[in-house]
Amino acid sequence: EAQVTQNPRYLITVTGKKLTVTCSQNMNHEYMSWYRQDPGLGLRQIYYSMNVEVTDKGDVPEGYKVSRKEKRNFPLILESPSPNQTSLYFCASSLNGGLTYEQYFGPGTRLTVT
Amino acid sequence: KQEVTQIPAALSVPEGENLVLNCSFTDSAIYNLQWFRQDPGKGLTSLLLIQSSQREQTSGRLNASLDKSSGRSTLYIAASQPGDSATYLCAVGNDRLAFGKGNQVVVIP
Repeated sequence: EAQVTQNPRYLITVTGKKLTVTCSQNMNHEYMSWYRQDPGLGLRQIYYSMNVEVTDKGDVPEGYKVSRKEKRNFPLILESPSPNQTSLYFCASSLNGGLTYEQYFGPGTRLTVT
Repeated sequence: KQEVTQIPAALSVPEGENLVLNCSFTDSAIYNLQWFRQDPGKGLTSLLLIQSSQREQTSGRLNASLDKSSGRSTLYIAASQPGDSATYLCAVGNDRLAFGKGNQVVVIP
């Protein structure tokens, strides 16, 4: 089954404790991206990747890091999480960029930073 | 920076009525546009993709139009059903994407 998986689905952590949210897709997609969704602010793009070793900033990259060492994986790293990073996070992938192809979204990761 | 606005933010309609959801964007030099559906607490599901060279796209009861010159897209859902209750989001962009905040729809049986 074609899918985007994220882990963990739920995470409660404390300020400053480094964490990684994993994202994996099984569709051989070149384009992957991370979003955060907050009430009243909608869905905002954090980082995106056009292909292996190619990443670029979205609208809200501060406080986040990403890497794309393999085509299927695109982890999101919070080196020193803060309470303002409490949010619902989504990973997505598509065959390539430019909204040329359908975007597939993961189920989301709900992160709480205390 | 691309700004995407969706109006109305929320609406309720009786079952059987047609739904009209609007999406406007500030930069008309968009590449493509997609409409998505999001159920509470879930990820987004792609509904329709409109290439920038197209005027509209149809899938079953759904029809989406795109007018680049006016910076608008409209999603029509014919003969609404309770199962259509969800939030509908539009997204525009190239590699860097911008999403609207969504139209929250409730279809009343």
